[in-house]
Amino acid sequence: SAVISQKPSRDICQRGTSLTIQCQVDSQVTMMFWYRQQPGQSLTLIATANQGSEATYESGFVIDKFPISRPNLTFSTLTVSNMSPEDSSIYLCSVVKGRDTGELFFGEGSRLTVL
Amino acid sequence: KQEVTQIPAALSVPEGENLVLNCSFTDSAIYNLQWFRQDPGKGLTSLLLIQSSQREQTSGRLNASLDKSSGRSTLYIAASQPGDSATYLCAVRSGTNAGKSTFGDGTTLTVKP
Repeated sequence: SAVISQKPSRDICQRGTSLTIQCQVDSQVTMMFWYRQQPGQSLTLIATANQGSEATYESGFVIDKFPISRPNLTFSTLTVSNMSPEDSSIYLCSVVKGRDTGELFFGEGSRLTVL
Repeated sequence: KQEVTQIPAALSVPEGENLVLNCSFTDSAIYNLQWFRQDPGKGLTSLLLIQSSQREQTSGRLNASLDKSSGRSTLYIAASQPGDSATYLCAVRSGTNAGKSTFGDGTTLTVKP
């Protein structure tokens, strides 16, 4: 398994501000992802965080709005920029462990409320 | 594009009952299928992982099956308990180990004492 720590666990932010979410994994992982879960909905993949290079974004998500850093194989950050109430969601960091099994593990999530 | 559907959206059962949750997917070229549990406001906890070459996996009171040809998976929960109340999500990883996972909308289970 994998132990994944996310900070902050929750925050309340004002419209127009930005918030950076941190994800720390207890061991080196190749694949790390950021998901969004809007209220009452399932998970949507925002991007794949690539170590040492730019993240790979899914359709509908752009780097200017969701800049991602991944300086090493155990750490990543997601910034939600210029927030609006529509950005109120749970943001989840996940990793794949097990080269052959490809099992996905998640952090506890960061619940963001934008006023 | 992979699409994952979970039925029913919500389920309420009395304690002790056996139950089945369903997951269907449109593209059978999958790498694996994973069942998760999510408690309100929390992250996802991995329950069972089935590789594309496998037919089922078991853990305690949980049994998950996979039928790739029909694009279906089921999660069987035996002797349900109030502590099983949560949302259960199915995720399908497409193609290879580097493929993306597509999630269903989940089934919210309530087990009444």
